[in-house]
Amino acid sequence: EPEVTQTPSHQVTQMGQEVILRCVPISNHLYFYWYRQILGQKVEFLVSFYNNEISEKSEIFDDQFSVERPDGSNFTLKIRSTKLEDSAMYFCASSELGPGQFFGPGTRLTVL
Amino acid sequence: RKEVEQDPGPFNVPEGATVAFNCTYSNSASQSFFWYRQDCRKEPKLLMSVYSSGNEDGRFTAQLNRASQYISLLIRDSKLSDSATYLCVVNQFSGGYNKLIFGAGTRLAVHP
Repeated sequence: EPEVTQTPSHQVTQMGQEVILRCVPISNHLYFYWYRQILGQKVEFLVSFYNNEISEKSEIFDDQFSVERPDGSNFTLKIRSTKLEDSAMYFCASSELGPGQFFGPGTRLTVL
Repeated sequence: RKEVEQDPGPFNVPEGATVAFNCTYSNSASQSFFWYRQDCRKEPKLLMSVYSSGNEDGRFTAQLNRASQYISLLIRDSKLSDSATYLCVVNQFSGGYNKLIFGAGTRLAVHP
């Protein structure tokens, strides 16, 4: 069964450093998303991406965040200058035309 | 008012019990509805979509009441493996794009 994959599974970084989280969506999916979940809190929408551009972003997704689809398979989330409060699980998701989204296993980001 | 509200639980039930989860949503423009399941420190996994006519998948029954903006999930004959957090999720479709809004989840613990 096709699945969304994410790397790395755990990323530890120093405050102020840049991180890139990587995702490989399901191959025939057209829509891509990033969500985050701070420990003990709910899953929050960050951004959606379609046809090589951002279609919607939340208030959380400020200028420190960017997304890119550098080739035909990868979808990345970059945080330019990490803050302590960026520590969270980051989930990538993808979908076909409909709303049902399938999530990757997540990257746990720890900012020290 | 929260966009999606759920009773946080935990619900502690014996094996074989029937358990019901409730959820309300605030945005009447919400278009589609889901239950996701999340195991500890794992990604959300799509359990089932929810339709106004009600739908069933084995031991799981989901119901939607658009007039009351209320969603429910019933689990019959609960198993130890049903222990997880159940996330009520609402899809908002605008400008041609989908965005999932998650509730905080209801924790279920099934014991022998």
